[in-house]
Amino acid sequence: DAKTTQPTSMDCAEGRAANLPCNHSTISGNEYVYWYRQIHSQGPQYIIHGLKNNETNEMASLIITEDRKSSTLILPHATLRDTAVYYCIVRVSNTGKLIFGQGTTLQVKP
Amino acid sequence: GAVVSQHPSRVICKSGTSVKIECRSLDFQATTMFWYRQFPKQSLMLMATSNEGSKATYEQGVEKDKFLINHASLTLSTLTVTSAHPEDSSFYICSALQGNEQYFGPGTRLTVT
Repeated sequence: DAKTTQPTSMDCAEGRAANLPCNHSTISGNEYVYWYRQIHSQGPQYIIHGLKNNETNEMASLIITEDRKSSTLILPHATLRDTAVYYCIVRVSNTGKLIFGQGTTLQVKP
Repeated sequence: GAVVSQHPSRVICKSGTSVKIECRSLDFQATTMFWYRQFPKQSLMLMATSNEGSKATYEQGVEKDKFLINHASLTLSTLTVTSAHPEDSSFYICSALQGNEQYFGPGTRLTVT
């Protein structure tokens, strides 16, 4: 599975949009981009995933560049409860395995 | 959404003893489950893939005789840490595969004294 690169940490003001970038320059054509987050001492929570089109759900939006070498997770109105480690993972959909990188620690500040 | 539970949530055991952790998919059947380990301030590390009715597949460097995995039903996988030592103290997390999506349990904090 392709490796991903994310910033180690980011801050965001409460109520503002949080934009979390992810580089996956070696992604293959059949690999999806997944985003999970982990709040302290809990199991990871699925956020969103996509292949090449932008995706939106009730939690977030996922913007994937046209060359698919990078993506951005957008939390439109961050709250204090969004403080967590956010993981960007690329994987082939039918393998099931998720290989976690170091993720980005997002700190939402009042 | 799909719910995965783990039991116990916390366990303390003495060095040399064995401890079993259960992972259950509550509202769906999962032929495949995964076990991860997470040390403080580190990311999740995949330990093994648990397949119902067959042997687990372990990741490189994970001792299969130390971390016994049993997936005897479509809703239950167990991880047994045998002859636990303090360095096995960690946060153990399972996930269950439904379709193409993984749903994670809340984790089990193991402390070996």
